[in-house]
Amino acid sequence: GAGVSQSPRYKVAKRGQDVALRCDPISGHVSLFWYQQALGQGPEFLTYFQNEAQLDKSGLPSDRFFAERPEGSVSTLKIQRTQQEDSAVYLCASSLGPISGELFFGEGSRLTVL
Amino acid sequence: AQRVTQPEKLLSVFKGAPVELKCNYSYSGSPELFWYVQYSRQRLQLLLRHISRESIKGFTADLNKGETSFHLKKPFAQEEDSAMYYCALTPFGAGSYQLTFGKGTKLSVIP
Repeated sequence: GAGVSQSPRYKVAKRGQDVALRCDPISGHVSLFWYQQALGQGPEFLTYFQNEAQLDKSGLPSDRFFAERPEGSVSTLKIQRTQQEDSAVYLCASSLGPISGELFFGEGSRLTVL
Repeated sequence: AQRVTQPEKLLSVFKGAPVELKCNYSYSGSPELFWYVQYSRQRLQLLLRHISRESIKGFTADLNKGETSFHLKKPFAQEEDSAMYYCALTPFGAGSYQLTFGKGTKLSVIP
């Protein structure tokens, strides 16, 4: 595809449900990032992959959050036992090389936890 | 740790008026700074980066290390400039990858 693709675009979950958010980066992009954007805030870093290696997960807010990129392409962000404070837009971004700068963002997955 | 501050949540200007979106940063080392923009119903995209020293869509931004600022400027605002603008910082150098964003400023250009 022409850009970073994320699915689903919108997800409503009941508190306690597990959710999985998918990201298809631009083909050939080495780096992949997940950001969380709460209402009225800027994107906040969650985790970073270089190919299949998760080099930094320091931004994941709790052990309920888990991300993977097993083949160095598609990535999934999983949130277990969702809480209301998890409601946010989850942005995926990719970049060509290992050093960021120009990140290419997806449209985001908006998660609402009831 | 790095921090980016955008003091204005909303900035309204008339078409043709000058625009300045403020960005201040806090970082002990050498930073690389960016402006990202999100137009209505579009995805977040890079507008400009300080190392490029280029003007994009009439916008410029100069890194002022003394004042730790990276304000975005345009001499004459256009209606199509209405958007959310985010200032972002990453530590400069090999191995840097984590972008820290400000909370954003919504620019509204009044016709």
